[in-house]
Amino acid sequence: GENVEQHPSTLSVQEGDSAVIKCTYSDSASNYFPWYKQELGKRPQLIIDIRSNVGEKKDQRIAVTLNKTAKHFSLHITETQPEDSAVYFCAVKQADSSYKLIFGSGTRLLVRP
Amino acid sequence: GAGVSQTPSNKVTEKGKYVELRCDPISGHTALYWYRQSLGQGPEFLIYFQGTGAADDSGLPNDRFFAVRPEGSVSTLKIQRTERGDSAVYLCASSLTGPNQPQHFGDGTRLSIL
Repeated sequence: GENVEQHPSTLSVQEGDSAVIKCTYSDSASNYFPWYKQELGKRPQLIIDIRSNVGEKKDQRIAVTLNKTAKHFSLHITETQPEDSAVYFCAVKQADSSYKLIFGSGTRLLVRP
Repeated sequence: GAGVSQTPSNKVTEKGKYVELRCDPISGHTALYWYRQSLGQGPEFLIYFQGTGAADDSGLPNDRFFAVRPEGSVSTLKIQRTERGDSAVYLCASSLTGPNQPQHFGDGTRLSIL
């Protein structure tokens, strides 16, 4: 089955700097890659997603890039703010008939004011 | 409209007891998913419903776990003979039908087995 690895497990940046989180996956047929933000005790919130026919997608300060050949995708957050502090999870949907998501282990992002 | 609603928000029970966790999806979402999240981990898939039927139950850990969605809307996750290892946050998500539709999560039920 699909295997998703996420790095780093923790990331600390100064306010205003950029943050990059990377995920790798094993199944080359996987075709949908969402990113979720989860604050302590709260629900995972979808912040951006990308499909396998697109290489990059941006939404204000957040962008996701996908390299299908290398089987990795990354979340980029620019001009970080303290409210960006949270745990971020990548996920992968396999290309089989099920719509289940396979999640990475998470990255705890701390933005220092 | 309202998001995914899960009840109860917290459930504490003794080992060996039976529990039911409820999920009310976003109106109009025919796909519904249950995930389990242990402390410090990403959500782990349990089961996926398309309408009333379980389209994929490959993530259910054993036969103590069962889920239903009799009318294609509200779903109930049922756990029999609970064990301490069942303690986790149980998350429900829903989406529109079709591949690559965004899944939207509820706040989860924090289940603690004493």
